[in-house]
Amino acid sequence: SQTIHQWPATLVQPVGSPLSLECTVEGTSNPNLYWYRQAAGRGLQLLFYSVGIGQISSEVPQNLSASRPQDRQFILSSKKLLLSDSGFYLCAWSVLAGVKYEQYFGPGTRLTVT
Amino acid sequence: SQQGEEDPQALSIQEGENATMNCSYKTSINNLQWYRQNSGRGLVHLILIRSNEREKHSGRLRVTLDTSKKSSSLLITASRAADTASYFCATSQIIGGSEKLVFGKGMKLTVNP
Repeated sequence: SQTIHQWPATLVQPVGSPLSLECTVEGTSNPNLYWYRQAAGRGLQLLFYSVGIGQISSEVPQNLSASRPQDRQFILSSKKLLLSDSGFYLCAWSVLAGVKYEQYFGPGTRLTVT
Repeated sequence: SQQGEEDPQALSIQEGENATMNCSYKTSINNLQWYRQNSGRGLVHLILIRSNEREKHSGRLRVTLDTSKKSSSLLITASRAADTASYFCATSQIIGGSEKLVFGKGMKLTVNP
């Protein structure tokens, strides 16, 4: 069965510090991978998605970047965090299968920038 | 940009009652999905309804889709305290070979025991 891991679960970082959040998927090959951010009381905002190794599409201009060094690994990074980067970050994967494109989410990382 | 909008934004009911949540969207879609999120956790996929379907059932869940009105509803029958969570609708579009889900802001359901 497929599983998705995210770490860390919570993170408190000072403004200006770097960030690295990691997401890995097990039990599937060549998944589409996604990074979302959820602000308090809001829906999910798609930040990045990837259809393959080294292929990253950015949805919104921001202080963040993403990389996919391996098929089932997706990393969210920042060189210098801003206060506005605080939020709940969710990684998700999907596989194109007919017309069904369900996404499966990781447990999330709660980031607080102080 | 936000596509799905859930209504109401918050709902509080008693255990055993039915809960109905509505979702409206603006553009054409491939399918519409409903997700559930327990507080501080990731989202869990509940049910998917394709654009050519009108109604779908899964256990205590019933989803309808009206593409002419660009709206969907999620009905949870015989609610339980464990159904307390936030519920999101998400519309699916395929752009550049990749699925994109556009989520609404969510609706918080509280089921009182």
